[in-house]
Amino acid sequence: ETGVTQSPTHLIKTRGQQVTLRCSSQSGHNTVSWYQQALGQGPQFIFQYYREEENGRGNFPPRFSGLQFPNYSSELNVNALELDDSALYLCASSLGGAGYGYTFGSGTRLTVV
Amino acid sequence: KNEVEQSPQNLTAQEGEFITINCSYSVGISALHWLQQHPGGGIVSLFMLSSGKKKHGRLIATINIQEKHSSLHITASHPRDSAVYICAGDTGNQFYFGTGTSLTVIP
Repeated sequence: ETGVTQSPTHLIKTRGQQVTLRCSSQSGHNTVSWYQQALGQGPQFIFQYYREEENGRGNFPPRFSGLQFPNYSSELNVNALELDDSALYLCASSLGGAGYGYTFGSGTRLTVV
Repeated sequence: KNEVEQSPQNLTAQEGEFITINCSYSVGISALHWLQQHPGGGIVSLFMLSSGKKKHGRLIATINIQEKHSSLHITASHPRDSAVYICAGDTGNQFYFGTGTSLTVIP
């Protein structure tokens, strides 16, 4: 059983809307990363949070934003949804940065229509 | 050119065969991860390597830091090994993913 929980598991939104995806980290993990995986593609790194601060970001526009809370759970927010935002969104938690393994959640499947 | 390249993209093997998946990277990384993704999307972290070799059951992962190359080996492959295998370079605050190797093991 994975220690990382994502919600919701599936979501359908309309173009232009905003969405919030949630991730509960594995107990004790203070680092969380978010990834976007389009159908048939490999994952793309969105950003990483360490102790509530963003400490790394991939090539995603500012309408992709995040938060990490004091209990190290996290949110991914996407504004002004576009059809191309349809993807599987994965989060992974870790204890610290490089040098520690990551535990992945099962993902949220977002469909934008 | 992607920062992380994997080969082959697709691989079909007979049950029992020895399988190798290769990963080369061009960025400076602190660790390299091998991930397994089954249909439906769930990802399992198989290995995290910063040097040398790790073994878990029938899976072996190696990394050569000087050559910026890693390999994932599966011994005595089994149909349940069928999945997409992804390598990812970890710089400490950024991940670079390979495009994945889709493995099908035929009984």
